Amino acid sequence: QQQVKQSPQSLIVQKGGISIINCAYENTAFDYFPWYQQFPGKGPALLIAIRPDVSEKKEGRFTISFNKSAKQFSLHIMDSQPGDSATYFCAASRGNQGGKLIFGQGTELSVKP
Amino acid sequence: DTEVTQTPKHLVMGMTNKKSLKCEQHMGHRAMYWYKQKAKKPPELMFVYSYEKLSINESVPSRFSPECPNSSLLNLHLHALQPEDSALYLCASSQGARAQETQYFGPGTRLLVL
Repeated sequence: QQQVKQSPQSLIVQKGGISIINCAYENTAFDYFPWYQQFPGKGPALLIAIRPDVSEKKEGRFTISFNKSAKQFSLHIMDSQPGDSATYFCAASRGNQGGKLIFGQGTELSVKP
Repeated sequence: DTEVTQTPKHLVMGMTNKKSLKCEQHMGHRAMYWYKQKAKKPPELMFVYSYEKLSINESVPSRFSPECPNSSLLNLHLHALQPEDSALYLCASSQGARAQETQYFGPGTRLLVL
């Protein structure tokens, strides 16, 4: 129930294309869903986050779509660029768990020029 | 300034050594975290400090000992580690230890246990 399942494990996209990463969860008590981006040799950095009372959130080229009934959420990267090549982690947390993040397994994105 | 700094960047230690990892933030955050990350895996939470008190210990072996000397500093003391403890150790901080607080991660300490 504490798991967050993420797919695909790796993704290759052409420059200018759309990258889509999907996550699914079981625990309906989760109330915060962030996406983190991690470059090699760096720590993860928050990219964008959403709460379950919102179905979509957009920040620049990055959009989270949230389907509460299906317990799924996804990250869309529009106009993907080689600089977006990184590992992406979805995560979920609950308000009463003291900041504990449950991470998905990660998606290694490679954007080809 | 949204920077979390960690020292050292790299550390090689034997199984009988004692060493410490250090983490510092000057964002006025009152929650600090230690994570362990193996290659091609997500970060795994180890400890959470909230207002300088240990609030979460994810059943981490006692050979890892966290310490929070003040609100800006977080240490992880290492003793009698095993080769399987080799990993990237990440420190993070957030305004408070609540679900919707952004966690800011440091670059990590890459640890190799021989």
